[in-house]
Amino acid sequence: DAEITQSPRHKITETGRQVTLACHQTWNHNNMFWYRQDLGHGLRLIHYSYGVQDTNKGEVSDGYSVSRSNTEDLPLTLESAASSQTSVYFCASSESTGWLSGELFFGEGSRLTVL
Amino acid sequence: KQEVTQIPAALSVPEGENLVLNCSFTDSAIYNLQWFRQDPGKGLTSLLLIQSSQREQTSGRLNASLDKSSGRSTLYIAASQPGDSATYLCAVETSGSRLTFGEGTQLTVNP
Repeated sequence: DAEITQSPRHKITETGRQVTLACHQTWNHNNMFWYRQDLGHGLRLIHYSYGVQDTNKGEVSDGYSVSRSNTEDLPLTLESAASSQTSVYFCASSESTGWLSGELFFGEGSRLTVL
Repeated sequence: KQEVTQIPAALSVPEGENLVLNCSFTDSAIYNLQWFRQDPGKGLTSLLLIQSSQREQTSGRLNASLDKSSGRSTLYIAASQPGDSATYLCAVETSGSRLTFGEGTQLTVNP
């Protein structure tokens, strides 16, 4: 079965360290997204991509970057981790057909703690 | 800026009850609306997707309606079961497959 996997599922790091969260999908979807989920804020969009070599900033992109070198992967990098980036991170993917967007499929999440 | 609100934030009902979860959004120019379920410590699972041209979608005991002009959607759950206990989120797409989420309704179904 097609799926979307995130790794690591849990990570603890220190302020100032670089961290990369991996996301791999086997749906062959063009669209991929990174969200963070925090109490009181819900899910907020960090970065997204519509295809290979395409990346775009979302609502809360400061301090984060992504790259899309193939269809399957969209790694999320925190260049210099800050305590405010402690959160649960979700990767998601979807397919678009013409003007119609398809369902959004989510990974299980990566819980990041920055000390 | 699109804002999505879900009321109530939490709901507790006895098993077997029919219930309605509400979602409202401020910008009616949406492409679609999705309802998701999230179990504790898990990712989100898509339940129903309603395109902007549709009025409702059904899947099993779930029925979702969409009224774009009033900026509202409801998720109806029939004959609730303890296994339905989870957080339910709605999200609207306003452009480019990007979704704006509500904060969810935490549902508890008591045996």
